[in-house]
Amino acid sequence: DAMVIQNPRYQVTQFGKPVTLSCSQTLNHNVMYWYQQKSSQAPKLLFHYYDKDFNNEADTPDNFQSRRPNTSFCFLDIRSPGLGDAAMYLCATSMHRDSYNEQFFGPGTRLTVL
Amino acid sequence: RKEVEQDPGPFNVPEGATVAFNCTYSNSASQSFFWYRQDCRKEPKLLMSVYSSGNEDGRFTAQLNRASQYISLLIRDSKLSDSATYLCVVNLNNDYKLSFGAGTTVTVRA
Repeated sequence: DAMVIQNPRYQVTQFGKPVTLSCSQTLNHNVMYWYQQKSSQAPKLLFHYYDKDFNNEADTPDNFQSRRPNTSFCFLDIRSPGLGDAAMYLCATSMHRDSYNEQFFGPGTRLTVL
Repeated sequence: RKEVEQDPGPFNVPEGATVAFNCTYSNSASQSFFWYRQDCRKEPKLLMSVYSSGNEDGRFTAQLNRASQYISLLIRDSKLSDSATYLCVVNLNNDYKLSFGAGTTVTVRA
């Protein structure tokens, strides 16, 4: 089945220790998104890639970076995690970026910062 | 006014009941709307897309009222497995960005 896969599902890191989260997709979608979702809150878009074109949201901290080495994979790098970065990180994909894009989410990576 | 606003609930209903709830949105020019279901500590899963006046999929019906800028979701013959948070999601500016409501919690009891 075509799908969005995230690894690891659970990640524990120490305060200030860099961490990388991984997302892959078999949907052959052009757009890949990274969201942060904290408890009882709506998902918050951090950035997205349209093909190789990176698009950062204005309020995304510099601490968050992303790489998309190919169509299938996208990584989220958190350079110096703080306690406030503990959250569920959701990767999503869509075929296009227009009004009718349906986004499909991966299962998420739950990040704990000690 | 919030961009996307939902009744948070919770809606606590018996099995077999019908439950309905609304979502209002701020931009009258918005063209596409989605209902996602999110279980506790899981990812949002697309339940239904709404591009015209409404959509129906089995026991689930979505209605769009452009004049009053709201969409609704109705669940008929509720099952225990329908217990979840339902996210109203709107492409407010007809671009790449989705705006999420805070979710409506539904609990179906035996």
